[in-house]
Amino acid sequence: RKEVEQDPGPFNVPEGATVAFNCTYSNSASQSFFWYRQDCRKEPKLLMSVYSSGNEDGRFTAQLNRASQYISLLIRDSKLSDSATYLCVVTGGYSSASKIIFGSGTRLSIRP
Amino acid sequence: DTEVTQTPKHLVMGMTNKKSLKCEQHMGHRAMYWYKQKAKKPPELMFVYSYEKLSINESVPSRFSPECPNSSLLNLHLHALQPEDSALYLCASSLMTDSYEQYFGPGTRLTVT
Repeated sequence: RKEVEQDPGPFNVPEGATVAFNCTYSNSASQSFFWYRQDCRKEPKLLMSVYSSGNEDGRFTAQLNRASQYISLLIRDSKLSDSATYLCVVTGGYSSASKIIFGSGTRLSIRP
Repeated sequence: DTEVTQTPKHLVMGMTNKKSLKCEQHMGHRAMYWYKQKAKKPPELMFVYSYEKLSINESVPSRFSPECPNSSLLNLHLHALQPEDSALYLCASSLMTDSYEQYFGPGTRLTVT
């Protein structure tokens, strides 16, 4: 089993729709969780950190479910500009050494 | 300012060349990272520097040699690369290692001929 798994998609949804995707992780000792977006041939950009209490930033909501070991990202009222690959990142683990794991990414395509 | 800069943007080098990639940040971050990213794959961690000391080397071949001259600069020295090393090389920084958000530079697109 991969340490961090994402549905690769692509998710193809109409503008204005709500879309959600999950990211599961295998290490229960993981400490921090993030969502990044990456446009084609660009660098990943931090979208939001995921806190235990969940967090919301405009149209974006991130949740953490430690019991089931997954994080989620919900995008409401999707825009054409939301088309990108969404990467989840999980950090921390059993040892004190940094452990940074990227998911393989979920491709999202918003159609007019 | 959450900017990480990288130079050059593009680099083409032969297998016998020696070149260096440069990364700079002025956010006071004490952790810096090198990643390699192939097309349609997520970034793969190569090296982590924490307080200017190498803290993680993810079993990267010795033809890649990182250097952290000071807390703002990170270099990646390249020598005798192979065509399969062609990729996007990303630098990132964070306040400290572990649980902190990383900010990425735009990357250097490297082609080895």
